[in-house]
Amino acid sequence: EAGVTQFPSHSVIEKGQTVTLRCDPISGHDNLYWYRRVMGKEIKFLLHFVKESKQDESGMPNNRFLAERTGGTYSTLKVQPAELEDSGVYFCASTRWTGNTEAFFGQGTRLTVV
Amino acid sequence: AQKITQTQPGMFVQEKEAVTLDCTYDTSDQSYGLFWYKQPSSGEMIFLIYQGSYDEQNATEGRYSLNFQKARKSANLVISASQLGDSAMYFCAMESKLTFGKGITLSVRP
Repeated sequence: EAGVTQFPSHSVIEKGQTVTLRCDPISGHDNLYWYRRVMGKEIKFLLHFVKESKQDESGMPNNRFLAERTGGTYSTLKVQPAELEDSGVYFCASTRWTGNTEAFFGQGTRLTVV
Repeated sequence: AQKITQTQPGMFVQEKEAVTLDCTYDTSDQSYGLFWYKQPSSGEMIFLIYQGSYDEQNATEGRYSLNFQKARKSANLVISASQLGDSAMYFCAMESKLTFGKGITLSVRP
């Protein structure tokens, strides 16, 4: 069974540019989560999809961030326009059900905005 | 709202000794679960152990065990017989939206 995959693994962009991160969850996992970890700081929840619906997007920092999960399969997280403070590692995780189940994480995308 | 607190500074342990990593939490949910994850320098998040709030026994997974004290709202991770490969960041997290603590750095000394 393939795990959660994320790409790109690294991205370096200039301030003001647009970047789109992609996450492919494990097949059959309805729940998909996005997180961000800024260097040396804690892991911050961004949002939670259940299938194609946004269950909780309370962690999205501002309207420069847009997440989608068309068809309830893979998800994209777009940052437009990127700012310096958006730099960090973006993790995606998926679970089959909500609650009482292991979350499987992708390897993360390291985003650097210069 | 859920909150996970990990306040220990960087932890050091001698190889082959046991170490306890602290985690306290706050939630208004009656039923909940707690996870511990390990993040080595390579960056991936590795699931270690899970404890459900209604589980009667403390969770154990190999060298990992969870000292779950519901009344105190604590879920400390105990690593027995530490190995050099245990050096990593350790995160406590709570379902359902996987609220994470800020993590603890563990360094195992030879």
